Amino acid sequence: ETGVTQSPTHLIKTRGQQVTLRCSSQSGHNTVSWYQQALGQGPQFIFQYYREEENGRGNFPPRFSGLQFPNYSSELNVNALELDDSALYLCASSWGTASSGNTIYFGEGSWLTVV
Amino acid sequence: AQSVSQHNHHVILSEAASLELGCNYSYGGTVNLFWYVQYPGQHLQLLLKYFSGDPLVKGIKGFEAEFIKSKFSFNLRKPSVQWSDTAEYFCAVTLSGGYNKLIFGAGTRLAVHP
Repeated sequence: ETGVTQSPTHLIKTRGQQVTLRCSSQSGHNTVSWYQQALGQGPQFIFQYYREEENGRGNFPPRFSGLQFPNYSSELNVNALELDDSALYLCASSWGTASSGNTIYFGEGSWLTVV
Repeated sequence: AQSVSQHNHHVILSEAASLELGCNYSYGGTVNLFWYVQYPGQHLQLLLKYFSGDPLVKGIKGFEAEFIKSKFSFNLRKPSVQWSDTAEYFCAVTLSGGYNKLIFGAGTRLAVHP
């Protein structure tokens, strides 16, 4: 077990709708990042939060946004859903950064289908 | 832009066969390298990682990987696979000094037959 839990595990949304995905990290993990994994591809970095501030972003449009809370939980929000947003969304948390030698722990993901 | 290439998308082996999965990255600076495994229905798990020092890194479950800087490669090896190694394997890189942005390859699906 990684101590990273995500909800919901599966959901279906209609194009144009908004979705919120949730993640609960291990106690003490001050860094959380979100990834999108499309079918047949590796995960792609969306953004990272450190101490409740976004401090890194991948090539995703502003309609992808997030929040990190003091209780080590976080959210990924996606507005104006498009069909191409259908994917597995992974939450990953750590104490500090991977580049400093810390291990990143992944949740099992939330499967989003946009119809 | 930095990228990671995994040469084999699907690999099929019999139990006890040796495994080598290729991984190359494109970035000229200092990198940290990782191999993750995703068993069916489970979360991504870290197999091993390289930050510095001995380029031959040993991980969990008998896996090892060798960092060859001149070839920009970080190939994963296991001398004798088991049926339980059936999974998808991802190579990833993060830039030294950066944050938690892992750049993943597309993955290699390994099927091990008894």
